[in-house]
Amino acid sequence: DSGVTQTPKHLITATGQRVTLRCSPRSGDLSVYWYQQSLDQGLQFLIQYYNGEERAKGNILERFSAQQFPDLHSELNLSSLELGDSALYFCASSASLRNTIYFGEGSWLTVV
Amino acid sequence: DQQVKQNSPSLSVQEGRISILNCDYTNSMFDYFLWYKKYPAEGPTFLISISSIKDKNEDGRFTVFLNKSAKHLSLHIVPSQPGDSAVYFCAATATSGTYKYIFGTGTRLKVLA
Repeated sequence: DSGVTQTPKHLITATGQRVTLRCSPRSGDLSVYWYQQSLDQGLQFLIQYYNGEERAKGNILERFSAQQFPDLHSELNLSSLELGDSALYFCASSASLRNTIYFGEGSWLTVV
Repeated sequence: DQQVKQNSPSLSVQEGRISILNCDYTNSMFDYFLWYKKYPAEGPTFLISISSIKDKNEDGRFTVFLNKSAKHLSLHIVPSQPGDSAVYFCAATATSGTYKYIFGTGTRLKVLA
């Protein structure tokens, strides 16, 4: 158990809908990262937050947005969902900006 | 632009032998490297890391080697065990930059009993 908690674990939704994935980082960790893993693909970096502020952005679509709240949990919002958005979405956290990152178990999103 | 590359999608090794997983990177700003292991339907688990000030780091059966001039790192697992069968990802970051961790596409290791 890495200490990073993601909810929901599985989610099935229809095209055009909007979903929110939630992440609670390890206790004391200030930095949160979001990654997407599509079938048989690597881990694609989406976005990173540190202590509530966006620090780095990767290949995140404009239909996706994220934020980190004052209690340090983070949410990834996916809107106008398409079939190609079906993937495993991972959240990771680290104590600061130069530490090893630890992953949650992921949220499986299936768009039908 | 794939800054971190794992050119071998899969690798099969006999139990007890050495497994060598390779990773290449292109960004000379990367100075911290990590290896993760991932089982199906689970999140990646941190294995071992290495800073660019070192060329080797060892932790039990796992050793990571870094060749900065070649922009290449490798993970050695000795001896390999069936429980090591998983997908292995290497990752890199520039600790003086934006700190985002870039992952390779992974190598699926199968250790044969």
